[in-house]
Amino acid sequence: ELKVEQNPLFLSMQEGKNYTIYCNYSTTSDRLYWYRQDPGKSLESLFVLLSNGAVKQEGRLMASLDTKARLSTLHITAAVHDLSATYFCAGTGSGGSNYKLTFGKGTLLTVNP
Amino acid sequence: GAVVSQHPSRVICKSGTSVKIECRSLDFQATTMFWYRQFPKQSLMLMATSNEGSKATYEQGVEKDKFLINHASLTLSTLTVTSAHPEDSSFYICSARGGVSGGAKDTQYFGPGTRLTVL
Repeated sequence: ELKVEQNPLFLSMQEGKNYTIYCNYSTTSDRLYWYRQDPGKSLESLFVLLSNGAVKQEGRLMASLDTKARLSTLHITAAVHDLSATYFCAGTGSGGSNYKLTFGKGTLLTVNP
Repeated sequence: GAVVSQHPSRVICKSGTSVKIECRSLDFQATTMFWYRQFPKQSLMLMATSNEGSKATYEQGVEKDKFLINHASLTLSTLTVTSAHPEDSSFYICSARGGVSGGAKDTQYFGPGTRLTVL
């Protein structure tokens, strides 16, 4: 059974600073996803990572995947207040045809002016 | 991009009543839909996986007689919370995954969620 651990769970940072959120998973995962959730809202898809060494970037966010280490990272560059949200990583496990997701506990990011 | 809608967005009901939540994929055919529940300040917990035309597969600990799931077509799945109680109050989110070629195939698209409050 896939287990997904994120850290940190809470992250308070200043605008302009860089930081990384880590996502460790316990068994092989065919896909690794990152989502953003604003308070009271549903999930917004950020990235899907499919293979070892995959790196994707969108604006100030960059996600990477190391399947050998079973680790994905979400790097935040020069944070701005608008990035304040909860970020989830999720894996699909291996095999199967449904790709059901197992989520980490989420990282609550607060970017302070 | 692919769009998933949910209805209603909010519902308040009395204890003992049943509530139906609809999840629709608006611009793609979803062979698989998923239902999640999220309590305040917690992560999403998968409740069940629903494939069109077949019975839903429930996760361990989820009562199938209480949470009835129907996936009648490739664009619609419904979740009915039967005899709701205050402890069922939560944020219910569906997602849909496309089974045909195209961008929807490898990604789950999430609906906007339904906030259920049982008095």
